[in-house]
Amino acid sequence: AQSVAQPEDQVNVAEGNPLTVKCTYSVSGNPYLFWYVQYPNRGLQFLLKYITGDNLVKGSYGFEAEFNKSQTSFHLKKPSALVSDSALYFCAVHSNDYKLSFGAGTTVTVRA
Amino acid sequence: SAVISQKPSRDICQRGTSLTIQCQVDSQVTMMFWYRQQPGQSLTLIATANQGSEATYESGFVIDKFPISRPNLTFSTLTVSNMSPEDSSIYLCSVGEGGGHGYTFGSGTRLTVV
Repeated sequence: AQSVAQPEDQVNVAEGNPLTVKCTYSVSGNPYLFWYVQYPNRGLQFLLKYITGDNLVKGSYGFEAEFNKSQTSFHLKKPSALVSDSALYFCAVHSNDYKLSFGAGTTVTVRA
Repeated sequence: SAVISQKPSRDICQRGTSLTIQCQVDSQVTMMFWYRQQPGQSLTLIATANQGSEATYESGFVIDKFPISRPNLTFSTLTVSNMSPEDSSIYLCSVGEGGGHGYTFGSGTRLTVV
């Protein structure tokens, strides 16, 4: 079985400050890890993924994520948050099959 | 990546009726998926829509309630049957190939059952 945990329901940061959204995972086999963002009344938009290779993955809109195998984590980061980054963020994983498992989601609020 | 057109974007339906959601992809894809996102919650996989064969349903979801069609490699429909207020959710279709290639999602259908 595979699972994803996003321990924080909400993250609040001031604009210009660093943003971190936490994610830990559990899979049997090699993990394929993803971050998606959902804006109100919109579908899911892909941010970035980790398949193999460099542990630091760069994605859309200035986001990056660091894969840590020993801690089974894949935290999403942005060095300087924008008000427009306020949204719902989902971490997801799949292993040897094709089925994505999603975390519960983290609501990010960036205040001006 | 594939572009998905999902319709309708939202609907308000009477309990006991059915709604069919359509998902059109701009390229041929092997795997299509249907998800449910209940209010304030994460995404749950309903089923995998396989072209030319029956859909594969996840635990807790049955064909009588959520019949799925997949007539070709670019199109699928999900029907929510005999609706109740508990079916009020966002329903999303997705395409992807596994292996870390990533998944693309439709914009979703926001269903309210009254």
